[in-house]
Order: sequence, then structure tokens, then C-alpha cells
Amino acid sequence: QSVLTQPPSVSGAPGQRVTISCTGSSSNIGAGYDVHWYQQLPGTAPKLLIYGDTSRPSGVSDRFSGSKSGTSASLAITGLQAEDEAEYYCQSYDSSLSGYVVFGGGTKLTVL
Amino acid sequence: QVQLVQSGAEVKKPGSSVKVSCKASGGTFRNYAIGWVRQAPGQGLEWMGGVIPIFATANYAQNFQDRVTITADESTSTAYMELSSLRSEDTAVYYCAQLPGANLWGSWFDPWGQGTLVTVSS
Repeated sequence: QSVLTQPPSVSGAPGQRVTISCTGSSSNIGAGYDVHWYQQLPGTAPKLLIYGDTSRPSGVSDRFSGSKSGTSASLAITGLQAEDEAEYYCQSYDSSLSGYVVFGGGTKLTVL
Repeated sequence: QVQLVQSGAEVKKPGSSVKVSCKASGGTFRNYAIGWVRQAPGQGLEWMGGVIPIFATANYAQNFQDRVTITADESTSTAYMELSSLRSEDTAVYYCAQLPGANLWGSWFDPWGQGTLVTVSS
């Protein structure tokens, strides 16, 4: 069971907007620790998509955006494209004894 | 731009140990923490621990504290992750990844190594 909770799957048609949630608790996201997002294409290493809740690394499309409120964070993808089909993970820091660096369980995005 | 290149796939017997390397090129190795994350087949990402080369200090996730040793060799810009007492459940792809500073906490991982598949089987 992951410390950060993500929906197992989301889907959308090309051109649509989808969001992926990442729910934590008062010892991680709710404590104000940054949330980061990764995209993992099949058979490849994860790639940083969003860091520091809302920032995009150079080279990442502005169709990807992040937000955070309370104990949850979200990744939004607009103008959905076939190449966005991948697994998405959120990551944060947890101040309890359980982990320190914690990941969500991952969300499989299917482009219909 | 830093690039992380990991050692090749390994097949190990239960009870043995494995040591995976992660060589950095194109950047200043000593000033940036390196973390290790594993991914079992069909599963999510699991943080194992990390090392800060400039301080020669390592920190480990509670789940691995008794079995993992993470080190860094500044002379070769290489980080190592050694996992002992292997069992079948340790079959996974092991990734190294760099953090943006000399701090393991609160930061993100970028870039990542290509991953090393470790198979534990009798």
C-alpha cells in the first residue's frame, strides 16, 4: 500500500483534458512538502514531468501542469495525445518513520 | 547535462548479494545526491535510499535498512547499491537517479539511469 494514493487508471480521448490525483496526509503533502510527477513509458526509466508542485523542466510540454491543495496534488494533461499513454507517478517527502521519500502507486493513462 | 549509466543485468541465487553501479558523466558528481529506486515487475516505484558523495553519507528507507548499502566513489563518479540476503521478491529493475543538490529530502529525481534488472532465482 503506497503512502500516496493515486487512481489506478484514467482515460481520455485525443484532445481532451485529464487529471490525475495524488492524495497524501498531514505528514507529507499536507505538511507542505513539494510534490513531483514522473512519466514512465513502457520499458523505460521514469522521466521528470513536474517538480516543486507546479514547475516544468525544460523540454516538457506546457500541456502538462501541476497543482496542490491541502493533502492532495493533481497532474493535468490538456490536448491529450497518443504519446501521452504511459504510467504516471507522484512523489513527495514524508516526515514519519515510514519512508522519507514516498511515491504514489502509479496511474495508467489510456488514450482512447 | 548529466548522464547516468548503470551496470548490466544480473541473475542471483536466493541468499546471495548483488552490487549495482551507476556511473555519472557530464556533471559534478560530488555535489549532488544519488538515490536508488526499484520497481518490481508490474509494480510501482519504491525508494530504497541514497548517498551524498560530498559528505560520504547515506540514508536508507526503513524497509531496506538491514540489507542495503549505498556508497559513492568520487574518483570514478560512480555510486553503488548493494543488496544482501536476496529473495525472490527482490526481483526488480533497480534505478539510480540524481537529485538537484546535496540533500536527499524534499527534492526530485532527474536524470535517471537506464535501470538494471536483477533476477533472483534458484
